[in-house]
Amino acid sequence: DGGITQSPKYLFRKEGQNVTLSCEQNLNHDAMYWYRQDPGQGLRLIYYSQIVNDFQKGDIAEGYSVSREKKESFPLTVTSAQKNPTAFYLCASTNARQGTGELFFGEGSRLTVL
Amino acid sequence: EDQVTQSPEALRLQEGESSSLNCSYTVSGLRGLFWYRQDPGKGPEFLFTLYSAGEEKEKERLKATLTKKESFLHITAPKPEDSATYLCAVQAVGEGKIIFGKGTRLHILP
Repeated sequence: DGGITQSPKYLFRKEGQNVTLSCEQNLNHDAMYWYRQDPGQGLRLIYYSQIVNDFQKGDIAEGYSVSREKKESFPLTVTSAQKNPTAFYLCASTNARQGTGELFFGEGSRLTVL
Repeated sequence: EDQVTQSPEALRLQEGESSSLNCSYTVSGLRGLFWYRQDPGKGPEFLFTLYSAGEEKEKERLKATLTKKESFLHITAPKPEDSATYLCAVQAVGEGKIIFGKGTRLHILP
């Protein structure tokens, strides 16, 4: 079945450690996004990529890094520079050329810093 | 700067009691306004895209409308299974970024 797969679903990390969240899609979508969700805060944009080997910062990119080496993959690294990384992270993709703006979301990764 | 504001933050309704959720937006040029539904612990699920003022879209008990400054999501005779967080998002012309509001938590009491 086509869709977006995020892993791991749950992740625990000690302070000072980097962690990488995986996001893979088989929808043949060009554009991919990473959002962070905290209680009562809605979704805040971390990074997005509209094409392979290119990506742009969103509103809260500090302390995060991404890569887009393949169309199907858009991993997010939460670095030790991120001061409050405990959150629910959502990856999404869309067919940018179709233009409907419909984002397809993964099931999310919940990161807890101990 | 593009901005999306949703109200109310939370809404409790009796089953069958119709109401509306509001999404006010500020964007340089609207490419699209989107409504999503999110259940706890899950990724959001797409509901509608609206492109221009005056446009309306319907799906079961939900109807979305759009003006130049805001959108409404009307819920008619809701059922308990309509309980969820409803998110509004916008995308500006020429932009790849899609910006979300904080959402409205809807609870329908049986």
